[in-house]
Amino acid sequence: DAMVIQNPRYQVTQFGKPVTLSCSQTLNHNVMYWYQQKSSQAPKLLFHYYDKDFNNEADTPDNFQSRRPNTSFCFLDIRSPGLGDAAMYLCATGSRVDTQYFGPGTRLTVL
Amino acid sequence: GESVGLHLPTLSVQEGDNSIINCAYSNSASDYFIWYKQESGKGPQFIIDIRSNMDKRQGQRVTVLLNKTVKHLSLQIAATQPGDSAVYFCAEKWTSGTYKYIFGTGTRLKVLA
Repeated sequence: DAMVIQNPRYQVTQFGKPVTLSCSQTLNHNVMYWYQQKSSQAPKLLFHYYDKDFNNEADTPDNFQSRRPNTSFCFLDIRSPGLGDAAMYLCATGSRVDTQYFGPGTRLTVL
Repeated sequence: GESVGLHLPTLSVQEGDNSIINCAYSNSASDYFIWYKQESGKGPQFIIDIRSNMDKRQGQRVTVLLNKTVKHLSLQIAATQPGDSAVYFCAEKWTSGTYKYIFGTGTRLKVLA
């Protein structure tokens, strides 16, 4: 059974055109994460939510924003994608008593 | 600290042999560690975890060893199979009481037939 779901799996956007990636979970975890992963590199944490508390990483560009309207859903908004933003975007969930689980990822291409 | 680098180290093992993948973590206060397996084009898949109050934990064909003295974590895979070919990452939970994870560089495991 899918526990962390990401849509779409593949997203193509144009340079500078805003794009939104979505993540949902069935685990009822109170923490949700967004990571960026480039080829042959480890996932890099962009930000995470503990419930509705937003925790941004210091080096995450302002171009990246996130919304969490409820426990189950979390969105990643890229306001003006650049060529350097092409990557795999991974959503994950976790809690105080459970481990961190990842979704399948969304591959973003910027033309 | 943060993972950097553009080239993943590669471990090549013969099918049926045991594999040992190593990871150096950065924060002596980290209290929880996870090993992930990532196949091409997919998200990281949980393999096994260990808390800092343990030295060793075993799963099905996998064992994780934790050496807090030298901040070292290893993943042992017994009787390596072609399906084990993937990139393996360790992740440390940064400090107790937070929910932030930092990933190691990763190791590509290639299983030779």
